[in-house]
Amino acid sequence: EPEVTQTPSHQVTQMGQEVILRCVPISNHLYFYWYRQILGQKVEFLVSFYNNEISEKSEIFDDQFSVERPDGSNFTLKIRSTKLEDSAMYFCASMRGQGTGELFFGEGSRLTVL
Amino acid sequence: RKEVEQDPGPFNVPEGATVAFNCTYSNSASQSFFWYRQDCRKEPKLLMSVYSSGNEDGRFTAQLNRASQYISLLIRDSKLSDSATYLCVVRGGNTGGFKTIFGAGTRLFVKA
Repeated sequence: EPEVTQTPSHQVTQMGQEVILRCVPISNHLYFYWYRQILGQKVEFLVSFYNNEISEKSEIFDDQFSVERPDGSNFTLKIRSTKLEDSAMYFCASMRGQGTGELFFGEGSRLTVL
Repeated sequence: RKEVEQDPGPFNVPEGATVAFNCTYSNSASQSFFWYRQDCRKEPKLLMSVYSSGNEDGRFTAQLNRASQYISLLIRDSKLSDSATYLCVVRGGNTGGFKTIFGAGTRLFVKA
């Protein structure tokens, strides 16, 4: 069964460092998402991506965040200068079509900022 | 007002019980509605989509009331394995985009 894969599963970094989280969406999917879940809190929308550009983003997704689909396969989330409050689980999701389509999630990348 | 609002629970029910979860959403232009399930420290997984006419999948029944901007999930004959957090999910809005918003979730504990 096709699945969304994310790497790394866990990353520990120092405050101020840059982090890149990688995702490989399901191959025939067209819509891609990043979500964040701080421990014990809700799943928060960060950004959606379609046709090689951001379609929507939340207020959380400020200038320190960026997304890229560099090679038609990977979908990356970059955090330029990490803060302590960026510590969270980051989920990538993909969807084949819009509307009533199901979001398929990866297992997440846990980011710990020290 | 929160975009998607749910009672956080927890709901503690015995096996075999019927339990109902409710959810309200603020954007009347929302287009698609779902219930997801999230186990502890795992990714969310689709439980079922919610259609205007209401829909059923085995022990699970979902209802949508667009006029009241209200979604419900009914679980009959609860099993121990139903213990999880249930997430109300809403997609779309005035921009016509793909923004998919999750509620904070309702925790369910089913006990033997």
